[in-house]
Amino acid sequence: EDQVTQSPEALRLQEGESSSLNCSYTVSGLRGLFWYRQDPGKGPEFLFTLYSAGEEKEKERLKATLTKKESFLHITAPKPEDSATYLCAVQTNTGNQFYFGTGTSLTVIP
Amino acid sequence: DAGITQSPRHKVTETGTPVTLRCHQTENHRYMYWYRQDPGHGLRLIHYSYGVKDTDKGEVSDGYSVSRSKTEDFLLTLESATSSQTSVYFCAISTSWGETQYFGPGTRLLVL
Repeated sequence: EDQVTQSPEALRLQEGESSSLNCSYTVSGLRGLFWYRQDPGKGPEFLFTLYSAGEEKEKERLKATLTKKESFLHITAPKPEDSATYLCAVQTNTGNQFYFGTGTSLTVIP
Repeated sequence: DAGITQSPRHKVTETGTPVTLRCHQTENHRYMYWYRQDPGHGLRLIHYSYGVKDTDKGEVSDGYSVSRSKTEDFLLTLESATSSQTSVYFCAISTSWGETQYFGPGTRLLVL
C-alpha cells in the first residue's frame, strides 16, 4: 500500500536552533516528491520538488534532500517566521496518484 | 496563490442538500485538482482534470462529481451533502502531470 509518513508531528525550536523534518514513503514507483509550507487558514505554498535519489534543493534557510526511501527538510538557524506546517507529498508513476503526509507543525520560539 | 480563486470561501449547509464549489484559474494550466484536508488525514485527492471535459478519480472520489467546461473553471459538486463531507477543500493547478501543483486559498465547508 502506498504511504507517506512525516515525523515528528510537532517540533518546537528555539530561534537559531537547526533541525530536520523527515518524510518517509513507500510507493510502487516515485515520480516526484514535493515539499510545501502551510500557514493556518491558507493553502499550501510550494517549496521544493525532488525527482531522484541524491537530489538536493535549497532556498534561504531550507534545504531538501531525497533518498530512495525518504526525504529530509533541513532548517538552518530558523526564525519565528518559519513557524508553519510543512507538508510532504509523493506522486507515483503508476496509478496517477498523489499522496500527502499529515505534516509537521513547526514552532520557532524567539 | 498563483492566480487561483475559490468560491465560496466559507459555506454552511444542511445534510442532503447539493453543494457546488468553484475553482477559477487565470494561469491557463492544463491540470486542475480538488483535494480535501482533514485532521489526521492530510490532503487527499478527490478528482482531477487534464483538460476540458477530461476528468478522472482520485483517492476519495465517492460522493463527489466534477465538471470542467472551460479551461479556467473546475467545479466540484456534492450531490447530497453528508456530515462526513465537512472539510476544507483545496483546488490546485499544474502545467502537466508530475509538475508542481499550486494551491488556492481553500473553501471551508460545514455540513450540519
